[in-house]
Amino acid sequence: ETGVTQSPTHLIKTRGQQVTLRCSSQSGHNTVSWYQQALGQGPQFIFQYYREEENGRGNFPPRFSGLQFPNYSSELNVNALELDDSALYLCASSTDRGFYEQYFGPGTRLTVT
Amino acid sequence: QQQVKQSPQSLIVQKGGISIINCAYENTAFDYFPWYQQFPGKGPALLIAIRPDVSEKKEGRFTISFNKSAKQFSLHIMDSQPGDSATYFCAPVDNNDMRFGAGTRLTVKP
Repeated sequence: ETGVTQSPTHLIKTRGQQVTLRCSSQSGHNTVSWYQQALGQGPQFIFQYYREEENGRGNFPPRFSGLQFPNYSSELNVNALELDDSALYLCASSTDRGFYEQYFGPGTRLTVT
Repeated sequence: QQQVKQSPQSLIVQKGGISIINCAYENTAFDYFPWYQQFPGKGPALLIAIRPDVSEKKEGRFTISFNKSAKQFSLHIMDSQPGDSATYFCAPVDNNDMRFGAGTRLTVKP
């Protein structure tokens, strides 16, 4: 059974640029959630996708957008990057919508300069 | 905004000792109470979780104690080992919400 994978591992971008992060869910999982984790803090929920449809969104601006593909992998897109977007971006997959028994990937470390 | 308060912020324990981390919540709709373990450079990993119909759950050296009336739950790590050194998060869940605590950085000294 393959776990949750994310790419890239690290990324450096300049303020104002756009970035796309990718997540492959664990085998058999149809739900993917994205989180932002600033240094020294707990993860903050960005949004969730269930069977290719958005199923809830946290308190993040519209420049954070996402997509889920038929194979349940997912992308997180961030436009007009700001310095405060520097963080570890985590995706988590689960077998159903909601937040029960989520399995996290290793994260993508984004640095905005 | 519903709050989840985790304490202590950091904890240092000697090898073989007991580590105790607490989590207090406000949302009475939470019905799943997990603890996650996160090592530096890694994503959080589900460690142990409890449903509100029981007051305690034990898995190996890890125990969750749940107090519904006080709206608190805690993680106990028995016989703490240096390999347990990590950051621990409580993250109570209901059908539409999940709130991570701020984390507890545990250091187990050999």
